[in-house]
Order: sequence, then structure tokens, then C-alpha cells
Amino acid sequence: KAGVTQTPRYLIKTRGQQVTLSCSPISGHRSVSWYQQTPGQGLQFLFEYFSETQRNKGNFPGRFSGRQFSNSRSEMNVSTLELGDSALYLCASSPMGVAGGHGNEQFFGPGTRLTVL
Amino acid sequence: DQQVKQNSPSLSVQEGRISILNCDYTNSMFDYFLWYKKYPAEGPTFLISISSIKDKNEDGRFTVFLNKSAKHLSLHIVPSQPGDSAVYFCAASGSGSARQLTFGSGTQLTVLP
Repeated sequence: KAGVTQTPRYLIKTRGQQVTLSCSPISGHRSVSWYQQTPGQGLQFLFEYFSETQRNKGNFPGRFSGRQFSNSRSEMNVSTLELGDSALYLCASSPMGVAGGHGNEQFFGPGTRLTVL
Repeated sequence: DQQVKQNSPSLSVQEGRISILNCDYTNSMFDYFLWYKKYPAEGPTFLISISSIKDKNEDGRFTVFLNKSAKHLSLHIVPSQPGDSAVYFCAASGSGSARQLTFGSGTQLTVLP
């Protein structure tokens, strides 16, 4: 099976702009989670989607939002970018709900490196 | 408040020897624990996991031990290989709406040839 794919891999934006990142989960996985990795804060949970519904949300401002489509692909959007939003954004898919799958195991994509200037 | 802690930022081990990476957690609601390996500019790669109903899980050279009373888990790699050099993260999750992974800060493992 193909792994989790994320596009684009690298992105440079300026303060105040908005950005949309895309994630395609492993085939058959319906749960998609997003994480932010920064040198100062480490890996932090943003939100999780399952069957097009947001199931859980981390402690991030409303500028961070996401959605999931019927084919389980997911996008996250960051509006009014700030310098502190520069980070590696990681998407992970999980076999939760799939027969025989261990729902808590999450498989990560390569990430999108966002730089805000 | 860090709910998952990896107190050793780095560890160096000779090739062929055992690597032991440690992780402590504080949240009693965590019931599933995972180890990931990460290279720079890549996403974490899942290594091994353990449910709170077990105290040990093995997969090839990797073994994870869970001590629930001490809220401590460890990853043993035997024998260590130079290709194991990477940052290792432990992560914990709960159930239901608390399934998100809470990560430790990572331990840089260097396996010396």
C-alpha cells in the first residue's frame, strides 16, 4: 500500500497570507490527524477527522482549521499567517474503524515544511 | 505541563550493544503507547506499540516494556546498528475522543560503528 502523502512538501509564505496543506491517507484509512512540529514545542496535536467529522481538536487558535472529504483526503488551512507558524506540518492516518486495525496506531506522511517570512 | 517526558536528549551506543530509551508519563488515562523513529525533514516512522493490558511487546530487534505502576516505558534495541541512529519519540494516547498522540521531546540515538 502507498503511504501517507502530503503536498506541497515545502512552502514559503509571508505574514498575513493564508495557506492550505493537503494530505492523502493510506488507502482504507478513514481517520486523519494533523500535528505541528517546531523546535521549541515539539510535536503537537492540531485536530483529527474521521468520516468527514472533526472528532478532536488541540489547543491551537481558530486560525487553524481543517476538513476531510468523502474519500478521506484532508486539508488544513492556516489563515493570517504569523512568523511563529513556521513549522513542519505532519499528517497521520489511522486504521481506526477498520476491521482488525489497531486504531491508535498512526502512520505519518513526510510533512510539509512551512516557512513564514 | 509535559504529560510525556523523555529525560535523555541524547544517547550514544556502540554497534552490537543494547540501546535503552526511556519515557515517563503522568496521565493515568493513557492506555496505549507507541515508539516512533524520525529522521530530519521526514515524518515519524512507527516502530512498535503496546497496550496498557500488556507489559511487554517484541518485534524483531525492538522490545517495548511498560511499567504501569511507575508510569514508565522503555524501548530496547538489540543489537544496535548504525542505521538505527535517529531521533526516537515515545507517544501516548487514550481512548475515544482522547485518541490523539501526546509526544515526548525525543531522544537522539547515535550508534557508533
